[in-house]
Amino acid sequence: RKEVEQDPGPFNVPEGATVAFNCTYSNSASQSFFWYRQDCRKEPKLLMSVYSSGNEDGRFTAQLNRASQYISLLIRDSKLSDSATYLCVVNIPGGSGYALNFGKGTSLLVTP
Amino acid sequence: ETGVTQTPRHLVMGMTNKKSLKCEQHLGHNAMYWYKQSAKKPLELMFVYSLEERVENNSVPSRFSPECPNSSHLFLHLHTLQPEDSALYLCASSQEGAAGANVLTFGAGSRLTVL
Repeated sequence: RKEVEQDPGPFNVPEGATVAFNCTYSNSASQSFFWYRQDCRKEPKLLMSVYSSGNEDGRFTAQLNRASQYISLLIRDSKLSDSATYLCVVNIPGGSGYALNFGKGTSLLVTP
Repeated sequence: ETGVTQTPRHLVMGMTNKKSLKCEQHLGHNAMYWYKQSAKKPLELMFVYSLEERVENNSVPSRFSPECPNSSHLFLHLHTLQPEDSALYLCASSQEGAAGANVLTFGAGSRLTVL
């Protein structure tokens, strides 16, 4: 089983649509969870951290389900500028505390 | 300069060359990282330095040699690379020991092609 699994997509949605991505992780002891966004040929940038109780940042909502070991990202009212690859990131427990596992990413294309 | 800067942005080298990638962070962070990003693969952690001490060495071949002379600078020295080492090499930094630990700020990357 891969450490962090994401549906690669692509997800093609029209402007204004709501889209959701899921991500599953294998290590039940993981404590830190993030969504990063990576535009084509650019570096990843932090979109949002994911907290146990769920959290929202404008049109973006992140949820964590520890029992099922999955994280979700919901984007409401999609904009053309939301087109990017969304990376699910989970910490690796133990060791130095610095290591993170990245998913391969889910590709989103928002069309006019 | 702000954030994390990497040079060169593009590098083409032969298998017998020796070159170095440079990273500088202007954020006052205390940890710096090298990641490798290949097509169709997730980001792979290579090395982590915390307060200039290497704390992660993720089974990286010895043809990659990191150097962290101070908390703001990180180098990746390259020698006798293989074509499969062609990838985007991303530097990142973070501020550990505080709220927001494990939150990475990436540089724009150095795209390496090995001929």
